[in-house]
Amino acid sequence: DTEVTQTPKHLVMGMTNKKSLKCEQHMGHRAMYWYKQKAKKPPELMFVYSYEKLSINESVPSRFSPECPNSSLLNLHLHALQPEDSALYLCASSQSPIRGIQETQYFGPGTRLLVL
Amino acid sequence: GQNIDQPTEMTATEGAIVQINCTYQTSGFNGLFWYQQHAGEAPTFLSYNVLDGLEEKGRFSSFLSRSKGYSYLLLKELQMKDSASYLCAVVDSNYQLIWGAGTKLIIKP
Repeated sequence: DTEVTQTPKHLVMGMTNKKSLKCEQHMGHRAMYWYKQKAKKPPELMFVYSYEKLSINESVPSRFSPECPNSSLLNLHLHALQPEDSALYLCASSQSPIRGIQETQYFGPGTRLLVL
Repeated sequence: GQNIDQPTEMTATEGAIVQINCTYQTSGFNGLFWYQQHAGEAPTFLSYNVLDGLEEKGRFSSFLSRSKGYSYLLLKELQMKDSASYLCAVVDSNYQLIWGAGTKLIIKP
């Protein structure tokens, strides 16, 4: 099973709403990632979790709040977003976040977010 | 600074061969990935090169020259389903992935 799943597939929310994006993998991967991707642009790294601990936060605004409840799940909590936050949000996972090894990242299908 | 260059768009004919180039200047190098991304979908892994040379995988091959800071992805026997964006990503000295902007490949019948 090399699948990363994400829900929902599409999300429309107002600027005052609170919503959450969910990501799940059952490959035993211990590194999980959140990316944001705008149209015709490459993915931009937002957060990295290694062994369920936040290891990288790429200066993301506090209206995005990640959470890793266990080794298989990754959430992204959204609050008071702006229209410019509309994008495809991608989750990825990789096997072992061991220093000196770059493991292949496997991506979920993404959540297409529209902020009105 | 870190920089990865790929052509923005390429067009090729079904059944032909196309080569997508990627040049990079990064702080350190720990490998290079190629990903395929269809419009509105997630990137899918194609190849990983860390040593110089050619890696062949079916219709797709990837080449790396570390001394030249250069890689290419070679697609043979092109099919319409190969129409997609192809992203080059380099692993820098901090083991961070630095992404190129991607090359949109258009296949014509």
